[in-house]
Amino acid sequence: DTEVTQTPKHLVMGMTNKKSLKCEQHMGHRAMYWYKQKAKKPPELMFVYSYEKLSINESVPSRFSPECPNSSLLNLHLHALQPEDSALYLCASSQGPSGGYYNEQFFGPGTRLTVL
Amino acid sequence: GQNIDQPTEMTATEGAIVQINCTYQTSGFNGLFWYQQHAGEAPTFLSYNVLDGLEEKGRFSSFLSRSKGYSYLLLKELQMKDSASYLCAVKRDKAAGNKLTFGGGTRVLVKP
Repeated sequence: DTEVTQTPKHLVMGMTNKKSLKCEQHMGHRAMYWYKQKAKKPPELMFVYSYEKLSINESVPSRFSPECPNSSLLNLHLHALQPEDSALYLCASSQGPSGGYYNEQFFGPGTRLTVL
Repeated sequence: GQNIDQPTEMTATEGAIVQINCTYQTSGFNGLFWYQQHAGEAPTFLSYNVLDGLEEKGRFSSFLSRSKGYSYLLLKELQMKDSASYLCAVKRDKAAGNKLTFGGGTRVLVKP
């Protein structure tokens, strides 16, 4: 299984809602990532989990709250978002934070989020 | 800080060759990736260079010069399905957080 899955594919939420994005991989990868991508822009790193511990938070507002319940799962909890948070949210995983020659990141298909 | 530059857009004809350049300035350089991203889809891995030289993989080749902070992705025998964005991404070492930072992407349009 060389796939990263994300649910839901699309999400529309109001500014007062609480929702969660989910990401799963079964490749035994020990590093997982959340990226935000606006239209026609490159992915921007938000969070990195390494061995289930948060290792990087790129100064992301607290209305985004990541969680890594186990080595296969990564969640992103959303609360009180703003319309400008509308974007494609990509999850990725890699073998480890630095291990392996390539250590390429495998990306999931993303969740397209719209905040009304 | 770091800076990663690539052209915004390129147009080429089916069957032709296109070269996408990427220049970077960064500390703690630990490799350069090229990803392909079709509109509305996730990026997919194309190539990885950490040593100087050319890596060839079928119709796609990638070159790196660390001393010049320069890489290119060469797409040969272009097909219509190659129309996509191509993202250059620089990986930094452990001291710099093992982060992957993407360039702005180059949209390639392949015309018949």
